[in-house]
Amino acid sequence: QVQLVESGAELKKPGSSVKLSCRVSTDTFTSYAISWVRQAPGQGLEWVGGVRPTFGAPNYAQAFQGRVAFTADESTQTVYMELRALRFEDTAVYFCTRAGIMATANYFFAYWGRGTRVTVSP
Amino acid sequence: EIVMTQSPAMLSVSPGERVTLSCRASQSVRLNLAWYQQKPGQAPRLLMYSVATRDTGVPARFRGTGSGTDFSLTINSLQSDDFAVYFCQQYDQWPLTFGGGTKLEI
Repeated sequence: QVQLVESGAELKKPGSSVKLSCRVSTDTFTSYAISWVRQAPGQGLEWVGGVRPTFGAPNYAQAFQGRVAFTADESTQTVYMELRALRFEDTAVYFCTRAGIMATANYFFAYWGRGTRVTVSP
Repeated sequence: EIVMTQSPAMLSVSPGERVTLSCRASQSVRLNLAWYQQKPGQAPRLLMYSVATRDTGVPARFRGTGSGTDFSLTINSLQSDDFAVYFCQQYDQWPLTFGGGTKLEI
């Protein structure tokens, strides 16, 4: 059973950075991509980017290029997302997800964490 | 970027009815299409992938069809547990993109 456990809610000021974590409980940590998908209040879903831990560079949606960075710690099976230069419109729930297809860069999201609420407010 | 368009945005239906949700891609995504169900305050749940493959535990009353640019999710004999928001997602090309969702309400 795959479990994704995310860090707690964050309240940040515009212009600051936030770093979220996602601990992945699975015996195939490096075989599947871990992505972040966000959902602004009352809105749809938006893919931020994904990384296959310890295997290749992360892939980011163009809307976040230059502001986001994913890192992974294989020893703790944790993936981190740092989002910089926060804006009011970054206020959203950020879901950590795991791909449903092994070893590919194009995938659907088979497993979801409960989400981390990030609020950007002065 | 492939734009996914879902219609309608909202659908009022009654338990026991059959409903069909539509998802259209701005260019062909072949068979690389997934559907998710989301209930208030919860994370989305994968329902279907590769258009028509139900994820583990998804009831047989859910059926996915289509290919290329036009896709449908049909739910037969709606149950109270099915009233939620449904999203489609293409994974044929980067960036991975979602439709705007269809809300099923009683």
